[in-house]
Amino acid sequence: DTAVSQTPKYLVTQMGNDKSIKCEQNLGHDTMYWYKQDSKKFLKIMFSYNNKELIINETVPNRFSPKSPDKAHLNLHINSLELGDSAVYFCASSQEYGAGANVLTFGAGSRLTVL
Amino acid sequence: QKEVEQNSGPLSVPEGAIASLNCTYSDRGSQSFFWYRQYSGKSPELIMSIYSNGDKEDGRFTAQLNKASQYVSLLIRDSQPSDSATYLCAVPYTGRRALTFGSGTRLQVQP
Repeated sequence: DTAVSQTPKYLVTQMGNDKSIKCEQNLGHDTMYWYKQDSKKFLKIMFSYNNKELIINETVPNRFSPKSPDKAHLNLHINSLELGDSAVYFCASSQEYGAGANVLTFGAGSRLTVL
Repeated sequence: QKEVEQNSGPLSVPEGAIASLNCTYSDRGSQSFFWYRQYSGKSPELIMSIYSNGDKEDGRFTAQLNKASQYVSLLIRDSQPSDSATYLCAVPYTGRRALTFGSGTRLQVQP
Protein backbone atom coordinates (compact mmCIF):
# COMPACT_ATOMS: atom_id res chain seq x y z
CA ASP A 1 0.00 0.00 0.00
CA THR A 2 1.20 3.49 -0.81
CA ALA A 3 1.16 5.46 2.38
CA VAL A 4 2.85 7.39 5.10
CA SER A 5 3.63 5.08 7.96
CA GLN A 6 4.89 6.11 11.36
CA THR A 7 5.91 4.12 14.39
CA PRO A 8 5.16 3.70 17.19
CA LYS A 9 1.45 4.48 17.25
CA TYR A 10 1.45 4.87 21.03
CA LEU A 11 4.29 5.88 23.32
CA VAL A 12 4.04 6.20 27.09
CA THR A 13 7.15 7.30 28.93
CA GLN A 14 8.47 9.10 31.98
CA MET A 15 9.61 12.70 32.16
CA GLY A 16 13.27 13.09 31.35
CA ASN A 17 13.46 10.13 29.00
CA ASP A 18 14.53 10.28 25.34
CA LYS A 19 12.32 8.81 22.63
CA SER A 20 12.14 8.59 18.84
CA ILE A 21 9.33 8.41 16.32
CA LYS A 22 10.00 7.09 12.83
CA CYS A 23 8.26 7.99 9.60
CA GLU A 24 8.46 6.57 6.10
CA GLN A 25 6.60 7.41 2.92
CA ASN A 26 6.50 5.44 -0.31
CA LEU A 27 4.59 8.03 -2.32
CA GLY A 28 7.67 9.41 -4.01
CA HIS A 29 7.13 12.81 -2.38
CA ASP A 30 10.02 15.23 -1.96
CA THR A 31 8.77 17.02 1.14
CA MET A 32 8.06 15.63 4.58
CA TYR A 33 6.72 17.29 7.71
CA TRP A 34 6.23 16.84 11.41
CA TYR A 35 3.10 18.38 12.91
CA LYS A 36 2.12 18.40 16.58
CA GLN A 37 -1.55 18.21 17.57
CA ASP A 38 -2.22 19.17 21.18
CA SER A 39 -5.16 18.29 23.40
CA LYS A 40 -7.20 21.13 21.90
CA LYS A 41 -6.72 19.59 18.46
CA PHE A 42 -4.58 22.47 17.21
CA LEU A 43 -2.30 21.15 14.47
CA LYS A 44 1.00 23.04 14.40
CA ILE A 45 3.93 22.67 12.01
CA MET A 46 7.20 21.73 13.69
CA PHE A 47 9.59 20.83 10.89
CA SER A 48 9.67 20.43 7.17
CA TYR A 49 12.29 18.69 5.08
CA ASN A 50 12.72 18.79 1.34
CA ASN A 51 14.99 16.17 -0.22
CA LYS A 52 16.71 15.64 3.14
CA GLU A 53 17.23 19.37 3.67
CA LEU A 54 15.62 21.19 6.61
CA ILE A 55 13.47 24.03 5.29
CA ILE A 56 11.22 24.84 8.26
CA ASN A 57 12.04 24.81 11.96
CA GLU A 58 9.19 26.50 13.77
CA THR A 59 10.19 27.73 17.22
CA VAL A 60 10.59 24.23 18.51
CA PRO A 61 12.76 23.57 21.58
CA ASN A 62 16.12 22.14 20.61
CA ARG A 63 15.22 19.02 22.58
CA PHE A 64 13.45 18.06 19.36
CA SER A 65 15.80 16.93 16.62
CA PRO A 66 14.54 15.74 13.25
CA LYS A 67 16.66 13.58 11.00
CA SER A 68 16.11 12.71 7.37
CA PRO A 69 18.46 9.98 6.14
CA ASP A 70 16.82 10.07 2.71
CA LYS A 71 13.81 11.74 1.17
CA ALA A 72 11.52 8.84 2.08
CA HIS A 73 12.29 8.95 5.80
CA LEU A 74 11.92 11.61 8.46
CA ASN A 75 12.48 10.68 12.07
CA LEU A 76 11.89 12.74 15.20
CA HIS A 77 14.02 12.37 18.30
CA ILE A 78 12.99 14.04 21.54
CA ASN A 79 15.39 14.46 24.45
CA SER A 80 14.53 15.09 28.10
CA LEU A 81 10.81 14.69 27.63
CA GLU A 82 8.52 17.09 29.50
CA LEU A 83 4.84 16.85 30.42
CA GLY A 84 3.99 19.48 27.79
CA ASP A 85 5.35 17.25 25.06
CA SER A 86 2.32 14.99 25.44
CA ALA A 87 0.47 15.23 22.13
CA VAL A 88 -0.19 13.42 18.89
CA TYR A 89 2.65 13.81 16.43
CA PHE A 90 1.74 13.51 12.77
CA CYS A 91 4.16 12.87 9.98
CA ALA A 92 3.04 14.03 6.53
CA SER A 93 4.41 14.26 3.03
CA SER A 94 3.64 16.16 -0.16
CA GLN A 95 5.02 16.98 -3.57
CA GLU A 96 7.46 19.86 -3.63
CA TYR A 97 5.81 22.03 -6.28
CA GLY A 98 2.60 22.48 -8.19
CA ALA A 99 -0.92 21.62 -7.22
CA GLY A 100 0.28 18.77 -5.04
CA ALA A 101 2.51 20.96 -2.88
CA ASN A 102 -0.19 21.52 -0.28
CA VAL A 103 -1.93 18.18 -0.58
CA LEU A 104 -0.60 16.56 2.53
CA THR A 105 -0.82 12.84 3.10
CA PHE A 106 -0.69 12.20 6.81
CA GLY A 107 0.49 9.21 8.75
CA ALA A 108 -1.81 7.71 11.36
CA GLY A 109 -0.19 9.69 14.15
CA SER A 110 1.92 8.79 17.18
CA ARG A 111 0.30 9.52 20.52
CA LEU A 112 2.98 10.45 23.05
CA THR A 113 2.07 10.49 26.74
CA VAL A 114 4.64 11.78 29.19
CA LEU A 115 4.02 10.86 32.83
CA GLN B 1 -4.94 37.84 15.55
CA LYS B 2 -4.51 34.16 14.83
CA GLU B 3 -3.23 33.33 11.37
CA VAL B 4 -6.17 31.04 10.58
CA GLU B 5 -9.31 31.32 12.68
CA GLN B 6 -12.24 28.98 12.97
CA ASN B 7 -15.11 28.66 15.38
CA SER B 8 -14.35 25.56 17.43
CA GLY B 9 -18.01 24.53 17.68
CA PRO B 10 -19.48 22.06 18.07
CA LEU B 11 -21.75 22.91 15.19
CA SER B 12 -24.79 20.67 15.43
CA VAL B 13 -27.08 20.17 12.43
CA PRO B 14 -29.85 17.68 11.74
CA GLU B 15 -29.37 15.01 9.12
CA GLY B 16 -30.19 16.34 5.66
CA ALA B 17 -29.49 19.97 6.54
CA ILE B 18 -26.76 22.22 5.16
CA ALA B 19 -23.73 22.63 7.40
CA SER B 20 -21.79 25.87 6.99
CA LEU B 21 -18.22 26.06 8.25
CA ASN B 22 -16.30 29.31 8.22
CA CYS B 23 -12.65 30.32 8.28
CA THR B 24 -10.80 33.63 8.21
CA TYR B 25 -7.10 34.14 7.55
CA SER B 26 -4.72 37.00 8.11
CA ASP B 27 -2.19 36.72 5.25
CA ARG B 28 -3.45 38.79 2.31
CA GLY B 29 -0.83 37.15 0.11
CA SER B 30 -2.32 33.67 0.47
CA GLN B 31 -3.37 32.22 -2.86
CA SER B 32 -4.65 28.75 -2.07
CA PHE B 33 -6.95 27.37 0.58
CA PHE B 34 -7.72 23.89 1.80
CA TRP B 35 -10.25 22.03 3.86
CA TYR B 36 -9.19 18.89 5.68
CA ARG B 37 -11.48 16.55 7.55
CA GLN B 38 -10.35 14.72 10.68
CA TYR B 39 -12.40 11.97 12.26
CA SER B 40 -11.86 11.39 15.97
CA GLY B 41 -8.67 9.46 16.56
CA LYS B 42 -7.69 9.59 12.88
CA SER B 43 -5.41 11.69 10.74
CA PRO B 44 -6.53 14.67 8.63
CA GLU B 45 -7.47 14.07 5.01
CA LEU B 46 -7.95 16.61 2.23
CA ILE B 47 -11.51 17.10 1.05
CA MET B 48 -11.46 20.40 -0.86
CA SER B 49 -9.08 22.97 -2.27
CA ILE B 50 -9.93 26.38 -3.73
CA TYR B 51 -7.73 28.93 -5.46
CA SER B 52 -10.04 31.52 -7.04
CA ASN B 53 -12.73 33.78 -5.66
CA GLY B 54 -16.19 32.28 -5.87
CA ASP B 55 -17.55 28.81 -5.40
CA LYS B 56 -16.13 25.39 -6.13
CA GLU B 57 -18.40 22.38 -5.93
CA ASP B 58 -17.48 18.73 -5.45
CA GLY B 59 -20.40 16.45 -4.79
CA ARG B 60 -22.12 17.52 -1.58
CA PHE B 61 -19.25 19.89 -0.72
CA THR B 62 -18.93 23.50 -1.84
CA ALA B 63 -15.98 25.69 -0.95
CA GLN B 64 -16.45 29.45 -1.13
CA LEU B 65 -13.62 31.98 -1.24
CA ASN B 66 -13.65 35.75 -0.81
CA LYS B 67 -10.07 37.04 -0.88
CA ALA B 68 -11.11 40.65 -0.29
CA SER B 69 -12.72 39.67 2.99
CA GLN B 70 -10.05 37.03 3.70
CA TYR B 71 -12.77 34.49 4.22
CA VAL B 72 -13.22 30.91 3.10
CA SER B 73 -16.13 28.63 3.88
CA LEU B 74 -17.22 25.06 3.38
CA LEU B 75 -20.82 24.06 2.82
CA ILE B 76 -21.93 20.47 3.22
CA ARG B 77 -25.31 19.78 1.67
CA ASP B 78 -27.56 16.92 2.76
CA SER B 79 -25.41 16.39 5.85
CA GLN B 80 -25.03 12.79 6.97
CA PRO B 81 -24.05 11.39 10.37
CA SER B 82 -20.89 10.15 8.66
CA ASP B 83 -19.93 13.80 8.10
CA SER B 84 -19.51 14.21 11.87
CA ALA B 85 -15.85 15.15 12.24
CA THR B 86 -13.56 18.10 12.82
CA TYR B 87 -13.03 20.26 9.74
CA LEU B 88 -9.69 22.02 9.50
CA CYS B 89 -9.11 25.07 7.35
CA ALA B 90 -5.52 25.31 6.07
CA VAL B 91 -3.59 28.07 4.32
CA PRO B 92 0.00 28.10 3.03
CA TYR B 93 1.41 31.38 4.32
CA THR B 94 3.57 33.56 2.11
CA GLY B 95 7.18 32.52 2.44
CA ARG B 96 6.40 29.51 4.56
CA ARG B 97 6.53 26.20 2.78
CA ALA B 98 3.99 24.41 4.94
CA LEU B 99 0.30 24.64 5.64
CA THR B 100 -0.92 26.63 8.62
CA PHE B 101 -4.03 25.05 10.09
CA GLY B 102 -6.90 26.58 11.99
CA SER B 103 -7.98 24.98 15.23
CA GLY B 104 -10.86 23.22 13.48
CA THR B 105 -14.64 23.21 13.78
CA ARG B 106 -16.27 20.11 15.22
CA LEU B 107 -19.39 19.18 13.26
CA GLN B 108 -22.06 16.93 14.71
CA VAL B 109 -24.80 15.69 12.39
CA GLN B 110 -27.77 14.45 14.38
CA PRO B 111 -29.67 11.49 12.87
